[in-house]
Amino acid sequence: AQSVTQLDSHVSVSEGTPVLLRCNYSSSYSPSLFWYVQHPNKGLQLLLKYTSAATLVKGINGFEAEFKKSETSFHLTKPSAHMSDAAEYFCVVGDGGYKLSFGAGTTVTVRA
Amino acid sequence: SAVISQKPSRDICQRGTSLTIQCQVDSQVTMMFWYRQQPGQSLTLIATANQGSEATYESGFVIDKFPISRPNLTFSTLTVSNMSPEDSSIYLCSVTPRIQETQYFGPGTRLLVL
Repeated sequence: AQSVTQLDSHVSVSEGTPVLLRCNYSSSYSPSLFWYVQHPNKGLQLLLKYTSAATLVKGINGFEAEFKKSETSFHLTKPSAHMSDAAEYFCVVGDGGYKLSFGAGTTVTVRA
Repeated sequence: SAVISQKPSRDICQRGTSLTIQCQVDSQVTMMFWYRQQPGQSLTLIATANQGSEATYESGFVIDKFPISRPNLTFSTLTVSNMSPEDSSIYLCSVTPRIQETQYFGPGTRLLVL
């Protein structure tokens, strides 16, 4: 069985400051891990994915995530937040097949 | 990545009626899925749409309430039957071009049931 815990339901940052979204996972397998973003009234867009290659994964729009097996974490970061980063972010773990387990989501607010 | 479209993008329906949502992909894909996202919630998998056979439903979802069709490798429909206000949600289609690859999501259908 697999599960995902997003440790923050809401994160508020100032424009130009770093963003950190925390995610812990539980998986019986060697996990596939994803971050998706959902902008208001939009579908889900893939930000990045980890599939047992490099532990530091770079994604779109300046986001990156680091896979830490010892901590069972897959935190998402961005050095400098932009107003367009305001959205809902989902950490997701895959079972190696097609089943995905979604975290509850983190709402990011960016202050001008 | 695949380009996915859904119709309608949103709808307001009366309780007791049914709505069919379409999902179209611009290329052939191995797997297609339907998810529900209730207000303020995360995503829950409803079912896997299988080409040429009955869909595979997750626990808590049944064919009578959510009939699904998948006539070919690029198209699927989800029907929400006998709707009640509790069915008000975003319904999302997703696809995997090949098994064990990334899932890509459509823009979603926003349904409000009065």
